[in-house]
Amino acid sequence: DTAVSQTPKYLVTQMGNDKSIKCEQNLGHDTMYWYKQDSKKFLKIMFSYNNKELIINETVPNRFSPKSPDKAHLNLHINSLELGDSAVYFCASSSIGTVANYGYTFGSGTRLTVV
Amino acid sequence: AQSVAQPEDQVNVAEGNPLTVKCTYSVSGNPYLFWYVQYPNRGLQFLLKYITGDNLVKGSYGFEAEFNKSQTSFHLKKPSALVSDSALYFCAVIPMEYGNKLVFGAGTILRVKS
Repeated sequence: DTAVSQTPKYLVTQMGNDKSIKCEQNLGHDTMYWYKQDSKKFLKIMFSYNNKELIINETVPNRFSPKSPDKAHLNLHINSLELGDSAVYFCASSSIGTVANYGYTFGSGTRLTVV
Repeated sequence: AQSVAQPEDQVNVAEGNPLTVKCTYSVSGNPYLFWYVQYPNRGLQFLLKYITGDNLVKGSYGFEAEFNKSQTSFHLKKPSALVSDSALYFCAVIPMEYGNKLVFGAGTILRVKS
């Protein structure tokens, strides 16, 4: 069973398009995150939701809009895609009882390429 | 604000030799410290953690890490490197108070040559 699953795994799209990435976790965690890994492999948090409430919103263009319909799902919608949005986007999850054990649990990533 | 520094972009080591990947951190309060590994085109895998207690912690695949509070360091070590250890390694820190974010270092590429 995949603990944190993201779809799609790869996404190639043209500039100006709107796209969504979906994330689901079956671990019963109450908090989910989106991280961006840029071309230099640097990982930076974008958003965090706890029980469907936004709790972390880093300095991210408002073209990026997260949505959490329930605590097991966190989707990322990106409007008007730009070349600089090309990156690998990782979803992660955690709970207060699990952070001390292994930090966050990460999905396998979505490689977004904007052409 | 919390931060993590991994001073080496890349570490090269011969198979069978010991390896060290360095990490220093800055956080207010007591931290949880982690090492993650990323293989090519894969997600992040948990390797080991320091929460409290013994300064030397052991993790997966024979890796260990030494917590040094006075030097605010958490270096990753392995007594004998394998070619299969070649990957990208991330150090990460989060303050103990829940609700904070896990912050990563820039990553260190480990290359083990046979």
